[in-house]
Amino acid sequence: GQQLNQSPQSMFIQEGEDVSMNCTSSSIFNTWLWYKQDPGEGPVLLIALYKAGELTSNGRLTAQFGITRKDSFLNISASIPSDVGIYFCAGTTTNKHIFGTGTLLAVQP
Amino acid sequence: NAGVTQTPKFRILKIGQSMTLQCAQDMNHNYMYWYRQDPGMGLKLIYYSVGAGITDKGEVPNGYNVSRSTTEDFPLRLELAAPSQTSVYFCASSYFTGGANNEQFFGPGTRLTVL
Repeated sequence: GQQLNQSPQSMFIQEGEDVSMNCTSSSIFNTWLWYKQDPGEGPVLLIALYKAGELTSNGRLTAQFGITRKDSFLNISASIPSDVGIYFCAGTTTNKHIFGTGTLLAVQP
Repeated sequence: NAGVTQTPKFRILKIGQSMTLQCAQDMNHNYMYWYRQDPGMGLKLIYYSVGAGITDKGEVPNGYNVSRSTTEDFPLRLELAAPSQTSVYFCASSYFTGGANNEQFFGPGTRLTVL
């Protein structure tokens, strides 16, 4: 089946640092979405991208939909302890999401 | 709105037992999904439904069954539990999956252990 390669697998950073993670695919997607999963919870949508080349911000988060429609990145600026969690990218096809393997983010106060 | 609710939160099964994981949403979403998340791994789609009476297999359907008799409910059935089915199960729903409004809303998960 379709797969999304998400990197890095994990990150351990100091509070205040910027973070960058990305997803790549061999397939083209209609939309790219970024979710965050807090410990013990289900994922929650952070940012949605609907057009190739689109750059969207949500507070300290910025995400871009790659021009080729096969990749996306997420940046978090000035990280804080509550940014801890697992971040998933997802590419969407007609009926479903294809999720990346996740990036575990740990923030040291 | 309660959003997406799942029961039970935790369950321990013996090998060969059966159980049904319940999922309900009150957002009038037409699309519903079941995922499993193994430790340190991403989400794998088990089954999904595009509306009442319509279901389809996802990436890892073996060992599971679903039904969708109403818009609100989408139960997942394990007939003969196996240790390989130890996982966290998430139910999700969305209004539409193409273009805008395709955000999926997730329930809190059911943690299942098969011994």
